[in-house]
Amino acid sequence: EAGVVQSPRYKIIEKKQPVAFWCNPISGHNTLYWYRQNLGQGPELLIRYENEEAVDDSQLPKDRFSAERLKGVDSTLKIQPAELGDSAVYLCASSPRGTRFLDEQFFGPGTRLTVL
Amino acid sequence: DAKTTQPNSMESNEEEPVHLPCNHSTISGTDYIHWYRQLPSQGPEYVIHGLTSNVNNRMASLAIAEDRKSSTLILHRATLRDAAVYYCILRDISGGSNYKLTFGKGTLLTVNP
Repeated sequence: EAGVVQSPRYKIIEKKQPVAFWCNPISGHNTLYWYRQNLGQGPELLIRYENEEAVDDSQLPKDRFSAERLKGVDSTLKIQPAELGDSAVYLCASSPRGTRFLDEQFFGPGTRLTVL
Repeated sequence: DAKTTQPNSMESNEEEPVHLPCNHSTISGTDYIHWYRQLPSQGPEYVIHGLTSNVNNRMASLAIAEDRKSSTLILHRATLRDAAVYYCILRDISGGSNYKLTFGKGTLLTVNP
């Protein structure tokens, strides 16, 4: 079974440029998460989807970050414009069921973003 | 959220057991203890979880103190592939936030050949 797929794996951009990350979760997984991981820190949740609905985006900086999960399958996270402080690894994860369950989360390999 | 405390780093030798400690003195009755690990250049992966009783799976064992204020992840025979950052996380099953994984800095495990 294929795991969570993310692309690109690496991205280098100049500040003020836009950037987008793509995630394809494990087939059949209803819940999708985006995390950000700064160097030397653990991942921090940005947004969570239940199917196509963003049910928790309280940690998403909405002035420059946006996300979508059309048709409740794959998802895109966008930053526009990027700032130097956005340099981090962006991780996507998925889990089979909704919040009432203690399902494990399956993580992708992440996209390492460098903003120059 | 109840917090966990882990050593920043630990070192082990290959093929020896490793005991990774985690303190969670403010744990509540509805908190499950989860462990994830993150290999270099990869996303975190689930290792094990438990509530009160000790747990075993193919990857590791989880020993939970009787008062639940601490736990220990046990790798029975460390291999070089076990070198990773290990995160101890509490997941509260009450309310609507049981999906949340709140990662700390974890313990960086180095395995020497």
